[in-house]
Formats: sequence, structure tokens, C-alpha cells
Amino acid sequence: DQQVKQNSPSLSVQEGRISILNCDYTNSMFDYFLWYKKYPAEGPTFLISISSIKDKNEDGRFTVFLNKSAKHLSLHIVPSQPGDSAVYFCAASAGGNQFYFGTGTSLTVIP
Amino acid sequence: DTGVSQNPRHKITKRGQNVTFRCDPISEHNRLYWYRQTLGQGPEFLTYFQNEAQLEKSRLLSDRFSAERPKGSFSTLEIQRTEQGDSAMYLCASSLASSGNQPQHFGDGTRLSIL
Repeated sequence: DQQVKQNSPSLSVQEGRISILNCDYTNSMFDYFLWYKKYPAEGPTFLISISSIKDKNEDGRFTVFLNKSAKHLSLHIVPSQPGDSAVYFCAASAGGNQFYFGTGTSLTVIP
Repeated sequence: DTGVSQNPRHKITKRGQNVTFRCDPISEHNRLYWYRQTLGQGPEFLTYFQNEAQLEKSRLLSDRFSAERPKGSFSTLEIQRTEQGDSAMYLCASSLASSGNQPQHFGDGTRLSIL
């Protein structure tokens, strides 16, 4: 029962262009959404989050958009840099207790 | 902020042996979570503590798995009679429970390999 889905296993983007990573969820009770970045042999690193009362949150080059009616969120990285190459996981929670993760999207930024 | 620390980083053991992992959360964080991650998957929730109380357990946590957080600080995850299917990365995360939502911060995990 995959409540959080990332349907694109991989994405390649040219340096300087925009990277858009997508995530869909099924549970309408989710009220808190997060994106994590993971390098090999390291744990996931928190990147950015958004509460369900908002539809956009921005932090530097990273912006997360939430479309509650579509049960969809996306992470925009602009401009993309080679150091952004990593696996990105989206996660969701209802009430901040148990968190559900997607299967990840591997982003490659080509110099 | 020293971050979440997990030990050991890698554990190799024979099937049927018991293993124990340790997690030291960020010092002021009162919530501690255990996850399991296998290749090509995202982290899967196992259990979480608020202070020393274990508040929720996943159905993934069979009776061979036990977790403790005796003084509300560090936590241990024990797997008894290990099986091949237990091979995975075991991740610990911590957060500060407050009036608003707070992100979890992860350690680098313990990779368990069952021979």
C-alpha cells in the first residue's frame, strides 16, 4: 500500500536549467510534506517542507508546490547545479507521527 | 548540533544470530524514529518513541524486533534470530515534537548484511 509515489525513478537535467521532481499521494489526511536529498552511503538530509495550509514554500534555489486537490507536490530546483545530483525522496505525514516515503527519484545534473 | 549518530555503520552476521544497533539522537529532540530501507525503496517506518514511550509500531516490526529508549535519550534496536530478509539499511531519525510540524533528521544508518 504505497501512499506516497514517485513515478519517475530518474531525471537528467543540464546544469543551470530547472529540475522538477514530482510526487503523488493518496491519503487526504496528510497535512505535512517534506523533501529529502540522499547521497550514497549517507542518511537522507532534510531539504524543504510544506504544510497543507500553504501551496508554496521557497528556500533559496528550492521551491515546493502543493496541489491538494490533485494530491500532488513537486520540488523545483533552479538553477540546477552538479552538486544537486542525488536521490530525492518525498515524504508525507498526518499529524507528524508516522512518515511515509516515496521510492525516490535519482537526479543527475549534467555539467 | 552534532547530528544523529548511529553505530555500527555496518554489521555483518550469520543467519540466526542476534544483532543490536544504537542510535543517539540530536540532544534536544524528544522524538526518535526507526526506519528500514532496502534497495530501490524509500525508508519504511518501523517504530517511534516520544521520550521513553514507544508510541507506534509498524506491522513490519515482527516479534523478532524490539526497540527501547530507556531514558528518553539513545535508543537500541535489536533483531533476534536474524533472517536473510533482514538485510537492509536501518535508519534512525529524530525530531522535536512541538506545536507545529517539525522535520525529522536522519543518521547515516547501519547497514545489516546477513550471510
